[in-house]
Amino acid sequence: EPEVTQTPSHQVTQMGQEVILRCVPISNHLYFYWYRQILGQKVEFLVSFYNNEISEKSEIFDDQFSVERPDGSNFTLKIRSTKLEDSAMYFCASREDRANSYEQYFGPGTRLTVT
Amino acid sequence: AQSVTQPDIHITVSEGASLELRCNYSYGATPYLFWYVQSPGQGLQLLLKYFSGDTLVQGIKGFEAEFKRSQSSFNLRKPSVHWSDAAEYFCAVGEQAAGNKLTFGGGTRVLVKP
Repeated sequence: EPEVTQTPSHQVTQMGQEVILRCVPISNHLYFYWYRQILGQKVEFLVSFYNNEISEKSEIFDDQFSVERPDGSNFTLKIRSTKLEDSAMYFCASREDRANSYEQYFGPGTRLTVT
Repeated sequence: AQSVTQPDIHITVSEGASLELRCNYSYGATPYLFWYVQSPGQGLQLLLKYFSGDTLVQGIKGFEAEFKRSQSSFNLRKPSVHWSDAAEYFCAVGEQAAGNKLTFGGGTRVLVKP
């Protein structure tokens, strides 16, 4: 069964460093998402991406964040200058571009630890 | 703005007993509703979804959920719990906008006693 994959599973970085989190969505999916879950808190929406552009972003997704689809398979989230409060589990998700198919499929997550 | 409330943070249930997890949502239009399960160290797995039609929906692993518009609820049920059902369960509502972002509840952690 096709699945969303994410790398790395765990990333440790120092405050102020840039990180890139990588995702490979399900191959025929065209909507892509990033969510995050700070330890003990809710899963929060960050950004949605369709047709090579951001379709929606949350107030969390400020200028320090960016997303890219550099090729036909990868979808990345970049944090330019990490802060301690960016420590969280980051989930990538994807869904089909098909009527009545609104379910999103999630990857296993990348745990980001900023020290 | 849409919101989701899961009133129970923790639930402990005996193996073989029935389980019901509560979910209440706030959304202006007809919602798209989902239940996801997260086992320790794992990602979010879709259990079931509701978009329209029959308000009782069946999902994987023997779970079902009922959409009640009058109560703004989408409660998850399982008649007989197995030890492997111990996990955290998240209710989510999806927007009917182009991005279809999901808004999640806080989750309910289910513990299963032998």
